[in-house]
Amino acid sequence: QKEVEQDPGPLSVPEGAIVSLNCTYSNSAFQYFMWYRQYSRKGPELLMYTYSSGNKEDGRFTAQVDKSSKYISLFIRDSQPSDSATYLCAMSEGTGGFKTIFGAGTRLFVKA
Amino acid sequence: DAGITQSPRHKVTETGTPVTLRCHQTENHRYMYWYRQDPGHGLRLIHYSYGVKDTDKGEVSDGYSVSRSKTEDFLLTLESATSSQTSVYFCAIGPTTNEKLFFGSGTQLSVL
Repeated sequence: QKEVEQDPGPLSVPEGAIVSLNCTYSNSAFQYFMWYRQYSRKGPELLMYTYSSGNKEDGRFTAQVDKSSKYISLFIRDSQPSDSATYLCAMSEGTGGFKTIFGAGTRLFVKA
Repeated sequence: DAGITQSPRHKVTETGTPVTLRCHQTENHRYMYWYRQDPGHGLRLIHYSYGVKDTDKGEVSDGYSVSRSKTEDFLLTLESATSSQTSVYFCAIGPTTNEKLFFGSGTQLSVL
Protein backbone atom coordinates (compact mmCIF):
# COMPACT_ATOMS: atom_id res chain seq x y z
CA GLN A 1 0.00 0.00 0.00
CA LYS A 2 1.29 3.42 -0.94
CA GLU A 3 1.77 6.01 1.78
CA VAL A 4 -0.32 8.49 -0.21
CA GLU A 5 -3.24 7.48 -2.40
CA GLN A 6 -4.78 9.73 -5.02
CA ASP A 7 -7.36 8.89 -7.67
CA PRO A 8 -5.71 9.51 -11.06
CA GLY A 9 -8.98 10.46 -12.76
CA PRO A 10 -9.46 11.92 -15.25
CA LEU A 11 -12.09 14.16 -13.76
CA SER A 12 -14.12 16.16 -16.26
CA VAL A 13 -16.41 18.99 -15.14
CA PRO A 14 -18.24 21.88 -16.83
CA GLU A 15 -17.00 25.42 -16.39
CA GLY A 16 -18.28 26.98 -13.19
CA ALA A 17 -18.55 23.70 -11.29
CA ILE A 18 -17.13 23.11 -7.84
CA VAL A 19 -14.30 20.60 -8.01
CA SER A 20 -13.28 18.34 -5.16
CA LEU A 21 -9.89 16.60 -5.26
CA ASN A 22 -8.84 14.22 -2.52
CA CYS A 23 -5.97 12.22 -1.10
CA THR A 24 -5.74 9.68 1.67
CA TYR A 25 -2.62 8.76 3.57
CA SER A 26 -1.44 6.19 6.06
CA ASN A 27 1.36 7.93 7.98
CA SER A 28 -0.10 9.66 11.03
CA ALA A 29 3.17 11.62 11.47
CA PHE A 30 2.49 13.80 8.43
CA GLN A 31 2.06 17.41 9.51
CA TYR A 32 2.57 19.47 6.35
CA PHE A 33 0.17 19.13 3.45
CA MET A 34 0.62 20.64 0.03
CA TRP A 35 -1.17 20.80 -3.29
CA TYR A 36 0.78 21.30 -6.50
CA ARG A 37 -0.69 22.10 -9.90
CA GLN A 38 1.05 20.80 -13.00
CA TYR A 39 0.20 21.90 -16.51
CA SER A 40 1.07 19.65 -19.43
CA ARG A 41 4.81 19.56 -20.16
CA LYS A 42 5.55 21.85 -17.21
CA GLY A 43 6.94 21.38 -13.72
CA PRO A 44 4.64 21.29 -10.68
CA GLU A 45 3.95 24.63 -8.98
CA LEU A 46 2.99 25.00 -5.35
CA LEU A 47 -0.68 25.93 -5.03
CA MET A 48 -1.55 25.48 -1.36
CA TYR A 49 0.50 24.82 1.77
CA THR A 50 -1.06 23.95 5.11
CA TYR A 51 0.13 22.82 8.50
CA SER A 52 -1.79 20.33 10.63
CA SER A 53 -5.58 20.14 10.48
CA GLY A 54 -8.09 22.72 9.35
CA ASN A 55 -8.94 24.77 6.31
CA LYS A 56 -7.00 27.30 4.28
CA GLU A 57 -8.52 29.48 1.60
CA ASP A 58 -6.83 31.34 -1.23
CA GLY A 59 -9.12 32.91 -3.78
CA ARG A 60 -11.13 30.16 -5.47
CA PHE A 61 -9.07 27.43 -3.79
CA THR A 62 -9.68 25.85 -0.39
CA ALA A 63 -7.46 23.20 1.15
CA GLN A 64 -8.89 21.04 3.89
CA VAL A 65 -7.04 18.64 6.17
CA ASP A 66 -8.69 16.04 8.40
CA LYS A 67 -5.89 14.33 10.29
CA SER A 68 -8.28 12.12 12.26
CA SER A 69 -9.44 10.53 9.00
CA LYS A 70 -6.04 10.89 7.25
CA TYR A 71 -7.80 12.67 4.41
CA ILE A 72 -7.04 15.90 2.60
CA SER A 73 -9.05 17.79 0.01
CA LEU A 74 -8.67 20.63 -2.43
CA PHE A 75 -11.81 22.47 -3.52
CA ILE A 76 -11.92 24.69 -6.57
CA ARG A 77 -14.88 27.03 -6.82
CA ASP A 78 -16.15 28.49 -10.10
CA SER A 79 -13.78 26.26 -12.04
CA GLN A 80 -12.31 27.66 -15.26
CA PRO A 81 -10.83 25.98 -18.35
CA SER A 82 -7.48 27.38 -17.21
CA ASP A 83 -7.76 25.12 -14.14
CA SER A 84 -7.35 22.10 -16.42
CA ALA A 85 -4.18 20.46 -15.15
CA THR A 86 -2.92 17.62 -13.01
CA TYR A 87 -3.18 18.22 -9.27
CA LEU A 88 -0.66 16.53 -7.00
CA CYS A 89 -1.09 16.23 -3.28
CA ALA A 90 2.06 16.06 -1.18
CA MET A 91 2.79 15.67 2.49
CA SER A 92 5.65 15.57 4.93
CA GLU A 93 6.44 14.92 8.57
CA GLY A 94 8.18 18.25 8.76
CA THR A 95 11.73 16.98 8.63
CA GLY A 96 12.55 18.64 5.34
CA GLY A 97 11.66 18.72 1.67
CA PHE A 98 13.63 15.55 1.09
CA LYS A 99 10.97 13.66 3.00
CA THR A 100 8.03 14.92 0.99
CA ILE A 101 5.80 12.16 -0.38
CA PHE A 102 3.72 12.89 -3.47
CA GLY A 103 0.46 11.42 -4.66
CA ALA A 104 0.31 10.21 -8.26
CA GLY A 105 -1.84 13.18 -9.31
CA THR A 106 -5.42 13.68 -10.54
CA ARG A 107 -5.98 14.94 -14.07
CA LEU A 108 -8.71 17.58 -14.21
CA PHE A 109 -10.46 18.82 -17.34
CA VAL A 110 -12.75 21.84 -17.13
CA LYS A 111 -14.94 22.13 -20.22
CA ALA A 112 -15.98 25.55 -21.51
CA ASP B 1 9.88 28.54 -13.02
CA ALA B 2 11.41 30.26 -10.00
CA GLY B 3 14.84 30.78 -11.60
CA ILE B 4 15.47 27.12 -12.38
CA THR B 5 16.78 25.95 -15.72
CA GLN B 6 17.04 22.32 -16.72
CA SER B 7 19.04 21.11 -19.69
CA PRO B 8 18.54 19.43 -22.02
CA ARG B 9 14.74 19.61 -22.27
CA HIS B 10 14.63 16.42 -24.32
CA LYS B 11 17.15 13.64 -24.71
CA VAL B 12 17.08 10.36 -26.61
CA THR B 13 19.89 7.95 -25.89
CA GLU B 14 20.78 4.30 -26.21
CA THR B 15 20.99 1.67 -23.52
CA GLY B 16 24.40 1.57 -21.90
CA THR B 17 25.45 5.13 -22.66
CA PRO B 18 26.18 7.69 -19.93
CA VAL B 19 23.82 10.65 -19.61
CA THR B 20 24.14 13.84 -17.58
CA LEU B 21 21.27 16.18 -16.83
CA ARG B 22 21.92 19.66 -15.54
CA CYS B 23 19.97 21.86 -13.17
CA HIS B 24 20.92 25.50 -12.77
CA GLN B 25 19.32 27.91 -10.27
CA THR B 26 19.61 31.63 -9.83
CA GLU B 27 17.81 31.77 -6.45
CA ASN B 28 20.81 30.88 -4.28
CA HIS B 29 18.74 28.22 -2.49
CA ARG B 30 20.63 25.76 -0.35
CA TYR B 31 18.56 22.67 -1.10
CA MET B 32 18.32 21.04 -4.52
CA TYR B 33 16.53 17.85 -5.53
CA TRP B 34 16.22 15.49 -8.45
CA TYR B 35 12.89 13.71 -8.98
CA ARG B 36 11.58 11.39 -11.63
CA GLN B 37 7.93 11.31 -12.64
CA ASP B 38 6.31 8.20 -14.07
CA PRO B 39 2.63 7.42 -14.72
CA GLY B 40 0.99 5.93 -11.65
CA HIS B 41 3.96 6.71 -9.39
CA GLY B 42 3.89 10.44 -8.99
CA LEU B 43 7.15 12.17 -8.17
CA ARG B 44 9.88 10.07 -6.60
CA LEU B 45 13.04 11.48 -5.11
CA ILE B 46 16.30 10.30 -6.65
CA HIS B 47 18.95 12.35 -4.84
CA TYR B 48 19.10 15.65 -3.03
CA SER B 49 21.73 18.14 -1.93
CA TYR B 50 21.86 20.26 1.19
CA GLY B 51 24.95 22.23 0.20
CA VAL B 52 28.00 22.29 -2.04
CA LYS B 53 29.46 18.78 -2.14
CA ASP B 54 26.77 17.58 0.33
CA THR B 55 24.40 15.08 -1.22
CA ASP B 56 22.31 12.12 -0.13
CA LYS B 57 20.20 9.36 -1.62
CA GLY B 58 16.47 9.43 -2.10
CA GLU B 59 13.89 6.73 -2.64
CA VAL B 60 15.01 5.58 -6.11
CA SER B 61 18.76 6.29 -6.25
CA ASP B 62 20.03 3.03 -7.80
CA GLY B 63 21.73 3.69 -11.15
CA TYR B 64 22.06 7.43 -10.52
CA SER B 65 24.78 9.66 -9.15
CA VAL B 66 24.85 13.39 -8.50
CA SER B 67 27.34 16.15 -8.00
CA ARG B 68 27.16 19.71 -6.74
CA SER B 69 30.36 21.70 -7.08
CA LYS B 70 28.65 25.11 -6.99
CA THR B 71 25.57 26.39 -5.19
CA GLU B 72 23.79 27.03 -8.47
CA ASP B 73 24.43 23.73 -10.28
CA PHE B 74 23.23 20.21 -9.51
CA LEU B 75 24.07 17.45 -11.98
CA LEU B 76 22.35 14.09 -12.30
CA THR B 77 24.30 11.31 -14.05
CA LEU B 78 23.07 7.99 -15.34
CA GLU B 79 26.32 6.04 -15.59
CA SER B 80 24.90 3.43 -17.95
CA ALA B 81 21.37 4.24 -19.04
CA THR B 82 18.71 1.52 -19.03
CA SER B 83 15.22 1.50 -20.54
CA SER B 84 13.73 1.60 -17.04
CA GLN B 85 15.24 5.07 -16.67
CA THR B 86 13.03 6.44 -19.43
CA SER B 87 11.13 9.11 -17.55
CA VAL B 88 10.57 12.81 -17.01
CA TYR B 89 13.17 14.24 -14.65
CA PHE B 90 12.49 17.30 -12.55
CA CYS B 91 14.88 19.41 -10.59
CA ALA B 92 13.51 21.24 -7.56
CA ILE B 93 14.94 23.79 -5.15
CA GLY B 94 14.01 24.80 -1.64
CA PRO B 95 15.18 27.71 0.51
CA THR B 96 15.23 25.88 3.85
CA THR B 97 14.35 22.51 5.24
CA ASN B 98 10.68 23.34 4.93
CA GLU B 99 8.48 21.56 2.52
CA LYS B 100 7.94 24.24 -0.15
CA LEU B 101 9.54 23.09 -3.36
CA PHE B 102 9.99 24.99 -6.63
CA PHE B 103 10.35 22.91 -9.76
CA GLY B 104 12.04 23.30 -13.11
CA SER B 105 10.31 22.53 -16.41
CA GLY B 106 11.66 19.00 -16.63
CA THR B 107 13.77 16.85 -18.95
CA GLN B 108 12.09 14.15 -21.02
CA LEU B 109 14.58 11.29 -21.27
CA SER B 110 14.05 8.32 -23.56
CA VAL B 111 16.43 5.36 -23.37
CA LEU B 112 16.09 3.07 -26.38
